[in-house]
Amino acid sequence: SFDLTQPPSASVSPGQTATMTCSGDNLGDKYVSWYQQKPGQSPVLVIYQDNERPSGIPERFSGSNSGNTATLTISGTQAMDEADYYCQAWGTSTAVFGGGTKLTVL
Amino acid sequence: QVQLEESGPGLVKPSETLSLTCTVSGGSISRYYWTWIRQSPREGLQWIGDILNSGSTNYNPSLKSRVTITLDTAKNQFSLRLTSVTAADTAVYYCARRGLDRYNGNFGKFFDFWGQGTPVTVSS
Repeated sequence: SFDLTQPPSASVSPGQTATMTCSGDNLGDKYVSWYQQKPGQSPVLVIYQDNERPSGIPERFSGSNSGNTATLTISGTQAMDEADYYCQAWGTSTAVFGGGTKLTVL
Repeated sequence: QVQLEESGPGLVKPSETLSLTCTVSGGSISRYYWTWIRQSPREGLQWIGDILNSGSTNYNPSLKSRVTITLDTAKNQFSLRLTSVTAADTAVYYCARRGLDRYNGNFGKFFDFWGQGTPVTVSS
C-alpha cells in the first residue's frame, strides 16, 4: 500500500520560516496537497497540485515536490499558523493522507 | 461559496448501520466528485470513497465491502452507509468536494471544500 510519512511535530519562531516534509515512494510523480487543521475545526486546503494556492490562502504558504519528498513552507510564520498540517496524495485508486505534523509557533 | 453540512445519528450500536447525509449548498452537485472522509485518533484521516454526479463510485478497498455512497441530485445531497460497524468505526466523519484543476478543468486530486464534520460513536 502507498503510505505518506510526516514528522509528528515541528516548531518555529514567529516571523521565521517553517518547513514541513511529507515522504512517500516516488512522491514526485504524484500531485500532493496540504491541509491545515486547527483544534475543533475541519481541514482547510492550503496547497494543491504541489504548489498551487487556493483563493484566500496567504502567499506565505508555498509547496514543492520532488523525488520522494514534498515540502510545505510557511514564510514569515504567524501565531495563527499554529495547527496540524496533513499532506495528501493518491495511490493506485485511493486518496491517502499523511499522519500529520503539529506545528508549534513558539 | 460552496458549503457542505453533514447530518445523522451521533451514536450507532455495534453491528448496525451508520447512515449520514451531506447537504450541499451554494452550488450544484453536478460536475464534481463528492467524498466521505473520516478522522480518528487511531487511523488519522482516512478516505472512505466518493461519487460522481453520474453515479459512478470509488471506495477505499479496506472498507469497500461495507460502504455505499449514493447521490440525490434533486436534493443536492449525497449519503454514506457503512454496515456492520464496530468500535473501530468511531470517528469524526467529513463530507468534502474534490476540486477541479483550474488550468484544464479536469477532476483534481484534492479536496477544496469540507463540511464541519460530525462525530459518530459506535457503542452499545
